[in-house]
Amino acid sequence: GEDVEQSLFLSVREGDSSVINCTYTDSSSTYLYWYKQEPGAGLQLLTYIFSNMDMKQDQRLTVLLNKKDKHLSLRIADTQTGDSAIYFCAETANDYKLSFGAGTTVTVRA
Amino acid sequence: DTAVSQTPKYLVTQMGNDKSIKCEQNLGHDTMYWYKQDSKKFLKIMFSYNNKELIINETVPNRFSPKSPDKAHLNLHINSLELGDSAVYFCASSPGGPDTQYFGPGTRLTVL
Repeated sequence: GEDVEQSLFLSVREGDSSVINCTYTDSSSTYLYWYKQEPGAGLQLLTYIFSNMDMKQDQRLTVLLNKKDKHLSLRIADTQTGDSAIYFCAETANDYKLSFGAGTTVTVRA
Repeated sequence: DTAVSQTPKYLVTQMGNDKSIKCEQNLGHDTMYWYKQDSKKFLKIMFSYNNKELIINETVPNRFSPKSPDKAHLNLHINSLELGDSAVYFCASSPGGPDTQYFGPGTRLTVL
């Protein structure tokens, strides 16, 4: 999406932490999401954060939100081979549509 | 039980044909969506329906016509298929408003 930007590729060693970054332009964004898409599969909601939060942790996943800089990140601790996928950042304001980034392809190497 | 389901999973057809993709959700959500994912994995919303009424139409060609017979279904009918329509189409649903959307498994449409 033109309003949401992500880096396209990330390569990480198994066991290391992965950090995927995203920037967005809509200051009225209320919800921000991370979705995961494995090859040939649909979109799986990983986690989301409200715009009035700075951080959310869910097991190996940590989401950080810097609302001032409109920057969102997803950290995956202890990255496993099963984490290899495309990760989409998405945002929505007070309407009904999600705007997606282009997706970051994460490759986990042994 | 599958929350958001789509049929068919794969659809291969000739240019100029008319085809439909069906979507059903059993989550009791009020709002349903269609998204298109192109070959570069770029996802863009096409339509959204809230309680069977169209609320978003993102400048999609009028060859695409969504139909919502009830709150749990949002079907996508495509007339006069073109090569550029080849993509993966995702259905999604949400309780409404800026709330979490749950996606179906996708339908891969290939137009020859």
